[in-house]
Amino acid sequence: ILNVEQSPQSLHVQEGDSTNFTCSFPSSNFYALHWYRWETAKSPEALFVMTLNGDEKKKGRISATLNTKEGYSYLYIKGSQPEDSATYLCAFNRPSNTGKLIFGQGTTLQVKP
Amino acid sequence: NAGVTQTPKFRVLKTGQSMTLLCAQDMNHEYMYWYRQDPGMGLRLIHYSVGEGTTAKGEVPDGYNVSRLKKQNFLLGLESAAPSQTSVYFCASSYPGTGLPYEQYFGPGTRLTVT
Repeated sequence: ILNVEQSPQSLHVQEGDSTNFTCSFPSSNFYALHWYRWETAKSPEALFVMTLNGDEKKKGRISATLNTKEGYSYLYIKGSQPEDSATYLCAFNRPSNTGKLIFGQGTTLQVKP
Repeated sequence: NAGVTQTPKFRVLKTGQSMTLLCAQDMNHEYMYWYRQDPGMGLRLIHYSVGEGTTAKGEVPDGYNVSRLKKQNFLLGLESAAPSQTSVYFCASSYPGTGLPYEQYFGPGTRLTVT
């Protein structure tokens, strides 16, 4: 059984703070690492998909890095805004013809105005 | 382009009743998935399908059955509902072609309560 671990479980920050979360995953037989953003009462939406060691992706104030050799990824949010409040999921998949993802439990971010 | 849709959005069942959840996608995706989401448990894969006419078990398949008779539809059935199946159910689809590897697109979810 693959384990994808995310930390912290939850986070409360003030508007304007920068923050980061961690996702750890098995480093063997790696194919891709995904980050999803999941707002309350909505469905998860993909933020980033990363495949190469050293990958860095950026979308506005949100960025992510990937270390496949040691099995971790960081998600950074610069200058958090209330609209960033959501649960951030990471998911891992190995090479396969099924596309199955193993999800972590998520980090729930609350940004206070 | 509606993406991934799910019906119904909400349902209350009594123990022992049966029901079918419908997932439909209009993106011509090959792969489809059913997840359940429970507090503190994250998303857990129930069943999945890699193409029309094929299905396979995921992490938590017991008590559920699925069918993929048409490429665009993926049905999840509960033959005899139990309170432990109270959950939010999400359908997702993805396409193993060019572009992002296996990015999944999610439906809006179905909230099921079994009393």
